[in-house]
Amino acid sequence: NAGVTQTPKFRILKIGQSMTLQCTQDMNHNYMYWYRQDPGMGLKLIYYSVGAGITDKGEVPNGYNVSRSTTEDFPLRLELAAPSQTSVYFCASSYSGTGGRWGNQPQHFGDGTRLSIL
Amino acid sequence: QKEVEQNSGPLSVPEGAIASLNCTYSDRVSQSFFWYRQYSGKSPELIMSIYSNGDKEDGRFTAQLNKASQYVSLLIRDSQPSDSATYLCAVKWDSNYQLIWGAGTKLIIKP
Repeated sequence: NAGVTQTPKFRILKIGQSMTLQCTQDMNHNYMYWYRQDPGMGLKLIYYSVGAGITDKGEVPNGYNVSRSTTEDFPLRLELAAPSQTSVYFCASSYSGTGGRWGNQPQHFGDGTRLSIL
Repeated sequence: QKEVEQNSGPLSVPEGAIASLNCTYSDRVSQSFFWYRQYSGKSPELIMSIYSNGDKEDGRFTAQLNKASQYVSLLIRDSQPSDSATYLCAVKWDSNYQLIWGAGTKLIIKP
């Protein structure tokens, strides 16, 4: 039972390089999220998606892009890496819920990607 | 702006005692509340969710919600060293798909 899988686990980038952080889930969840977590801080939402083909900005979207072509995959793209993007990145997914619990389901997290920009 | 506040700690509790973690939030129109545990270098994992006023118990964990006072708490009974972690509070507001996260409280259980 894989759950949410993120790759790579660690990466060092040079300033100005680009990369894609991969995220896939096998729980058939509609909702998917990308967060970043800086040391000693809580989670900040970068982008989220409520289904294939639908994405929206979170709290800190600048410098990032996402796509959602399938239910399973939600990659995060960094176009021009900057030192301020050094962080731990978490992907999460959740079931949409039904009735009174629609949209209120807990999120399940991947193991994270530790990214350093030098 | 919607905010979730937690005491950063560390909160030090003797083994076997009750650990009490608190979380306050800024907006009365809130719907769902979650407690996650995060070990150092690991991802958050869900401990409890609570949607209605009152207490919800699950094993050694009890979540308490008071919407009128805008706080949610987590009690851990018979604390164990393995409970040492950072505990994150997350709140979902009605008209939003997003969770707003507190910065977390670091809990240390001393043997």
